[in-house]
Amino acid sequence: AQKITQTQPGMFVQEKEAVTLDCTYDTSDQSYGLFWYKQPSSGEMIFLIYQGSYDEQNATEGRYSLNFQKARKSANLVISASQLGDSAMYFCAMRGPGTASKLTFGTGTRLQVTL
Amino acid sequence: KAGVTQTPRYLIKTRGQQVTLSCSPISGHRSVSWYQQTPGQGLQFLFEYFSETQRNKGNFPGRFSGRQFSNSRSEMNVSTLELGDSALYLCASSPKGGITYEQYFGPGTRLTVT
Repeated sequence: AQKITQTQPGMFVQEKEAVTLDCTYDTSDQSYGLFWYKQPSSGEMIFLIYQGSYDEQNATEGRYSLNFQKARKSANLVISASQLGDSAMYFCAMRGPGTASKLTFGTGTRLQVTL
Repeated sequence: KAGVTQTPRYLIKTRGQQVTLSCSPISGHRSVSWYQQTPGQGLQFLFEYFSETQRNKGNFPGRFSGRQFSNSRSEMNVSTLELGDSALYLCASSPKGGITYEQYFGPGTRLTVT
């Protein structure tokens, strides 16, 4: 079974500062994928970044980077230069091997960007 | 390319009724998954369809069912609605299954059961 743990229910960050959202996972699979999604108040889940378990380099997508530490089973999301529009819920998720597309989600972190 | 669309966006139903939600995936995507999001349980996987076949199913009662059509559009049906079925129902599409393919989500259908 797969499990995602997000221990920060809420976070505050000042505009233009960097912030790290924590995510740890548990799985017995050797091959898996890790994802981060953003959910604004409108409800739509927006894909941010992906990291494969065999990827040696940390994934980056614009202002988003994923700090992947395989031995510690952590996949933290780093948002650089926060913007007011980054205020939202952030979910870490994972998917195991095989073709079935089930995502297992964490409980999420609510990020609030302040002036 | 148009994104994932879900209809209706909002729905109010009474206990005991049934409801059908619709999802149109991104053009060319053959995998459609459904998730239920509630404040208490978070995001939970309902089922996944690929080429009109249910390929994976979450731990939900048989009142929850779905299907996929030849054009990859999908519907989910909930019969005999209960108050606890009030939730945001999210549909996600992917080109095909597999670890590396991210799922693209629609805006969701917010169902309220009274």
